[in-house]
Order: sequence, then structure tokens, then C-alpha cells
Amino acid sequence: DVQLVESGGGSVQSGGSLKVSCAVSGFSFSNYSINWVRQAPGKGLEWISYISATSTTIHYADSVKGRFIISRDNAKNTLFLQMNSLRVDDTAVYYCSTFDYWGQGTLVSVSS
Amino acid sequence: EIEMTQTPLSLSVTPGQPASISCKCSQRLLRSIGEASLYWFLQKPGQPPQLLIFGVSNRFSGVPDRFSGSGSGTEFTLNISRVEAEDVGVYYCMQNMQLITFGQGTRLDIK
Repeated sequence: DVQLVESGGGSVQSGGSLKVSCAVSGFSFSNYSINWVRQAPGKGLEWISYISATSTTIHYADSVKGRFIISRDNAKNTLFLQMNSLRVDDTAVYYCSTFDYWGQGTLVSVSS
Repeated sequence: EIEMTQTPLSLSVTPGQPASISCKCSQRLLRSIGEASLYWFLQKPGQPPQLLIFGVSNRFSGVPDRFSGSGSGTEFTLNISRVEAEDVGVYYCMQNMQLITFGQGTRLDIK
């Protein structure tokens, strides 16, 4: 079975940093591009970052560019999102997704 | 940035009746292989999104055939031929031709 399991969410103050992870199993992670998508409480889906299979191509939404860094470790089947200079409006559930498959999400809460 | 506009934003449907959701894009969607990069997802209450349709009209594995997608250029539609209680949730369209953007979502509930 395909599984994507996010971890590392939590509460942080505005201006702080947090690193979330996504552990993948059940498919050849190193052959697939993957994304981070977030959902603020009661809001819709917002794509925030993409990384290609070999990390050669990376994209960010304007809302996180310069503050967030996506990376992956294909040997460990894990995706990462380093979040710096966090703001209150970064509060959301963060999902990793190939779009075929989605994790359950991890909640990041940023307080002022 | 390509903007995706869904209509309606909500609909209430009697079980067994059809439903239709529109997604209009601010730019024409087209892949180099001729397949538009348009997806549909359903997010059921308390769950992550799940893929329904990819490439405009291709049902993902396990998706019932009452779901169908159509359209081209800038206008796309998700149709549900006979709504069932398990179809409740929020439906999103998404494009990945130029970065990735989602529509604002359409909430479907049962009358």
C-alpha cells in the first residue's frame, strides 16, 4: 500500500522555524516528483512547493518563496520542508502529495 | 499565475440526481502531448483530498464511473451522473501546466 506520513508539525511563534517531514512507502519514491500543499483552517487548498524526482527542479509559490526550502532524501524515502520566518498566516495543515496520493497532513500553528 | 474559478461554490443535490461543477482557467491549458493538465479532487469531511480525474477526463484508479470530466482550452466540467451520499465534500479543480493552482472549491451536500 502507498503511504505518505507527515510529521514534525507543531506550535511556533511568529518569526520562528520548523521542519516538517514526509515519509513515503509503497512506491519508488526516487522516481516521482512530489509537492507540499497546505490548507489553512476552514480554507481551500494552496500549493506551496514542488520538487522533481532528482531534486534538479524546484518551484515555490510566491507566498513562501525565500522563506521555505523543499528537499528530499531518496535513500531514506523522505521529503522535507524547512519553514523559516514563519508568519501567523502560515498556520495550516501541510500535506505532502504526488497528487495521485496524499498524506494525512501535519498541523503547523503559528502564534503572534 | 493561472487563476482557476469554480462555479458554483456550493450545491445541494438530491441522491440519484446529477451534479455539475465548472472550472474556468485564466489561460488556455495544454500539454505538449496534447493532454490538458487539469485535475479534479474530492476532499471528504475530515480527510485529505483524493484524486478523481487527471488529464481532463481520465478517472483515477477506483473512482466510480458516475464521475466524468470534460472540457478544453479554458473551460472544464466535472459531472456526477447520479449523486450518492458518499459524494459529500468539497471538490477542487487544479492545473499544473504553469506551476500549480487550485480552484477555490465547490461544496456539495445532500438534500
